[in-house]
This record gives sequence, structure tokens and C-alpha cells, in this order.
Amino acid sequence: ETGVTQSPTHLIKTRGQQVTLRCSSQSGHNTVSWYQQALGQGPQFIFQYYREEENGRGNFPPRFSGLQFPNYSSELNVNALELDDSALYLCASSLQRGARSYNEQFFGPGTRLTVL
Amino acid sequence: AQTVTQSQPEMSVQEAETVTLSCTYDTSESDYYLFWYKQPPSRQMILVIRQEAYKQQNATENRFSVNFQKAAKSFSLKISDSQLGDAAMYFCASNTGNQFYFGTGTSLTVIP
Repeated sequence: ETGVTQSPTHLIKTRGQQVTLRCSSQSGHNTVSWYQQALGQGPQFIFQYYREEENGRGNFPPRFSGLQFPNYSSELNVNALELDDSALYLCASSLQRGARSYNEQFFGPGTRLTVL
Repeated sequence: AQTVTQSQPEMSVQEAETVTLSCTYDTSESDYYLFWYKQPPSRQMILVIRQEAYKQQNATENRFSVNFQKAAKSFSLKISDSQLGDAAMYFCASNTGNQFYFGTGTSLTVIP
């Protein structure tokens, strides 16, 4: 069984640039959630994708967008990067049997994004 | 929206002793789950224990157990026989539908 993987591990961008982060879900999982974890804070929910559609969104602006592919992998895109976007971005996958999920989320190791 | 509060930024425990991490939450939902996650320095978030809100019995997983007080909206984690490998950030989280809400974490140090 393959776990959740994320790429890249680290990334450095400058303010105003755009970035794409990638996540491969655990085998058999159909749902991917993305979180932003600022230094010293708990993860903040960005959004979730289920069956290739956004299935819930936290309090993040539209410049945070995502995609889910038929193989359930996912991308997080952030446009017009700001200094405050510097954080660890975590991806988590789960198996949902319906639009509401109460199942365990399995997390990837994260991508550390630094915006200069 | 839900909120999850962890009032202990740091805790320490002697190896082999017991420690309790506190968590309170606020929700208007009747159907939800509660979790404790562990995040070691390697950054990978690992599920420690899960509690369904409709279950009155407290969840246990080996050395880890919870004290779930639904009326008080309290969900504490007890770690028995603490081991050096237990040192990590511990996050309390709640889940309603498709959203997870995390607390700010408690950093646990295990003293040899």
C-alpha cells in the first residue's frame, strides 16, 4: 500500500509568483484535502476535492485553487504569492462514501514553501 | 464554524510516567468526530486516536486513551508509560462533514 506523497519537498518563490504543489493520494482513496500550516500553528483547512470537484473550502482567497485528477491525485495552485503564504502545505487523503466524510485522513510529509 | 482550543503550548513528562494533554472544542453540530494527531519533527502527521461523538465510551489505543466529556466539550489525551518516541507536537482536531479544524498544538517533551 502506497502512502500519501507530496512534491516538491521544499520550494522557494518570490512575491507575486505562482506555485503548483502536487499530491498523490494513498492507494484506494478518493478524496484529497489541503492544509496550510504556518510556523508554530495548527493546520488550516484550505479545501477538499472529492470526485474531481471542490467539496468544501476554508477561509482562503480565490488565488488558492486546486484540481483533482481521475487517478485522485491533486494539485494546489497559489497565484500572486504573498509573504504570508510561507508555510508548510499538507495534503491528506481519505476514502469517502458520500459527500460527507468521517473517515481517517492520512497525511503526506508536506511541502515547505518559502516566499521571499 | 468550529473552534478547537489547546491551552497548553508545551508539556513535559518523565519517561515511563503519565501525561494528559487538554483540548476543548466548540461546535453546534450533533454529529462529529474528534481526533488527536501527532506531528514529529519529520513533519508527517500521524493519527493517534479517534473518538466518535455519538459513542459514550472513551477510545483507547494501547498506551493512549481519551477522556471525552461531551457536555463540557472537552477531549483530553492521556499517554501512559511515556516513551522517548512520544516526543512530538500533538494536535487536537474535530471533523464535521468535510472540514477538519485543528488546535494550535501542544509540544510534548519526554525527559529520560
